Amino acid sequence: AQKITQTQPGMFVQEKEAVTLDCTYDTSDPSYGLFWYKQPSSGEMIFLIYQGSYDQQNATEGRYSLNFQKARKSANLVISASQLGDSAMYFCAMRERESGGGADGLTFGKGTHLIIQP
Amino acid sequence: DTEVTQTPKHLVMGMTNKKSLKCEQHMGHRAMYWYKQKAKKPPELMFVYSYEKLSINESVPSRFSPECPNSSLLNLHLHALQPEDSALYLCASSIQGGSNSPLHFGNGTRLTVT
Repeated sequence: AQKITQTQPGMFVQEKEAVTLDCTYDTSDPSYGLFWYKQPSSGEMIFLIYQGSYDQQNATEGRYSLNFQKARKSANLVISASQLGDSAMYFCAMRERESGGGADGLTFGKGTHLIIQP
Repeated sequence: DTEVTQTPKHLVMGMTNKKSLKCEQHMGHRAMYWYKQKAKKPPELMFVYSYEKLSINESVPSRFSPECPNSSLLNLHLHALQPEDSALYLCASSIQGGSNSPLHFGNGTRLTVT
């Protein structure tokens, strides 16, 4: 079963509109972190925002906010006042509590290709 | 600018060549990662180093050989690759441990195997 599900392969949004990118996750670990990354066509993975499983409030970072609904296992990214430079691939990712005392990596969803139109 | 530096940015190699990808970070992170990303796909974890020791190897073929000479450097040695190994190779680092630490990625190396 997929651990991270992003159901929107692509989205077209008008500039200055708000956009919501969907992400649902699956884990039995009570301690986990949820992350959103932006990947422009140049390839770099840019960390945007983090939400911890025990956080009571939704995370915000500038124009980015995370709509965290723990009971629904949902962690949607909201971008307010979209800009042309927001056009990119967006990945939702999860990191579970490390096992065996070592580090583990991120598990990524398939991504959403967001295109902002003028 | 990213704090994780990867070289080279682009690499073209034949199937009989030996080459190396390099990654460097100076954030004091003790966990380092190699990911492989095919076009229009999410990154896939290849290797994890924790305190300079290999802690995760995701069943990667032996033609990929990682090395962590010290806490700041991570190499990926390539030998006898196949055309299907052409991809973007991303290096990342993080604070050791915990589910609350983001991975910081480099800009990647675009590898083409001919």
